[in-house]
Amino acid sequence: GQQLNQSPQSMFIQEGEDVSMNCTSSSIFNTWLWYKQDPGEGPVLLIALYKAGELTSNGRLTAQFGITRKDSFLNISASIPSDVGIYFCAGQLISSGSARQLTFGSGTQLTVLP
Amino acid sequence: DTGVSQNPRHKITKRGQNVTFRCDPISEHNRLYWYRQTLGQGPEFLTYFQNEAQLEKSRLLSDRFSAERPKGSFSTLEIQRTEQGDSAMYLCASSWPNTGELFFGEGSRLTVL
Repeated sequence: GQQLNQSPQSMFIQEGEDVSMNCTSSSIFNTWLWYKQDPGEGPVLLIALYKAGELTSNGRLTAQFGITRKDSFLNISASIPSDVGIYFCAGQLISSGSARQLTFGSGTQLTVLP
Repeated sequence: DTGVSQNPRHKITKRGQNVTFRCDPISEHNRLYWYRQTLGQGPEFLTYFQNEAQLEKSRLLSDRFSAERPKGSFSTLEIQRTEQGDSAMYLCASSWPNTGELFFGEGSRLTVL
């Protein structure tokens, strides 16, 4: 089945620093998404990517859909304390007009130190 | 608030008991999903509905699990004869068809003693 490898598993950074995390897949996806989850809450969508090579920003967040369609990256610039949380990548394959369910990575736990 | 609503938020039960979770999706969305999430892992797909039709079920969804969406609006997820391994966060999400932009609820955390 499809598997997503997300790295790093955890990160400790100083406030103000930039951070990068990535996801790789054994299969091709035609949609990549990035979610953030706070403790005790459901995941919240940050960025959706629909085209290979696409680079999309949402405020201080920038994500890219890899050319091979098997990877994606998320960058956070100038981190702030509220960036703390778990970041998940998710991939989806749409074929023949039907969307398969999302496959999630195992998450990157981000801690921002003051 | 017109987001996805789940209840109860927390449920503690004894092994062998039945539990039921409810999900009210965003009203304009016709797709509804159930996911399960254990500590340190990403959400794992259980099942989804388009309107009232249950279109796909994961192998994770054993015979003790049943989900319904009788009128194409809210959905329920029932777990019969709960086991300790059922302890997890059960997440509901909704979306339009053919999009990965799922909107999740806050989840229902189940603890089986």
